[in-house]
Amino acid sequence: DAMVIQNPRYQVTQFGKPVTLSCSQTLNHNVMYWYQQKSSQAPKLLFHYYDKDFNNEADTPDNFQSRRPNTSFCFLDIRSPGLGDAAMYLCATSNWGGENIQYFGAGTRLSVL
Amino acid sequence: RKEVEQDPGPFNVPEGATVAFNCTYSNSASQSFFWYRQDCRKEPKLLMSVYSSGNEDGRFTAQLNRASQYISLLIRDSKLSDSATYLCVVHSINFGNEKLTFGTGTRLTIIP
Repeated sequence: DAMVIQNPRYQVTQFGKPVTLSCSQTLNHNVMYWYQQKSSQAPKLLFHYYDKDFNNEADTPDNFQSRRPNTSFCFLDIRSPGLGDAAMYLCATSNWGGENIQYFGAGTRLSVL
Repeated sequence: RKEVEQDPGPFNVPEGATVAFNCTYSNSASQSFFWYRQDCRKEPKLLMSVYSSGNEDGRFTAQLNRASQYISLLIRDSKLSDSATYLCVVHSINFGNEKLTFGTGTRLTIIP
């Protein structure tokens, strides 16, 4: 059974039209991450939540925002998607202080028209 | 210098052969290390954790050399299903924040 679930699997949006990607987990992990991965590149960390504490990577554009209303859910909001934001968005979870392994969801592939 | 560096490949290897990848890291305070496997258009999945000098799991052997700051992955008797991108991942703690840093991955294709 999937432990990190991302919805939708595929998302098509128009240039400049806000979009929200969702992630949920059944692992009760204290950390949730959002990564952006483009073709033939490593996943790039956008930000993470340690419990309710939000940690933004220095080079993450303001266009990307995140919310974590509770332990199980985390959202990625792209306020004004550009063509360069088309990518796979991966959610991951881990338990800091534990095994430090990250478990990934299947990802949401975002297309921007 | 990148925090985690891998040879991007591609490595094209005949079925049944042995193949090895190396990964170097720059942060000497890095604490733990992982190899993830990523199939095309899929999410990364943990292949092996490397907590001490190394470990073995079936056809896969991971080794860690802290003095030289590299880890390696050896695949013996390679199978067609081993074709994937292998990501080297390093765990470190900076200013109280735990962080996993990914290499760009090494692409492996097993040829029949």
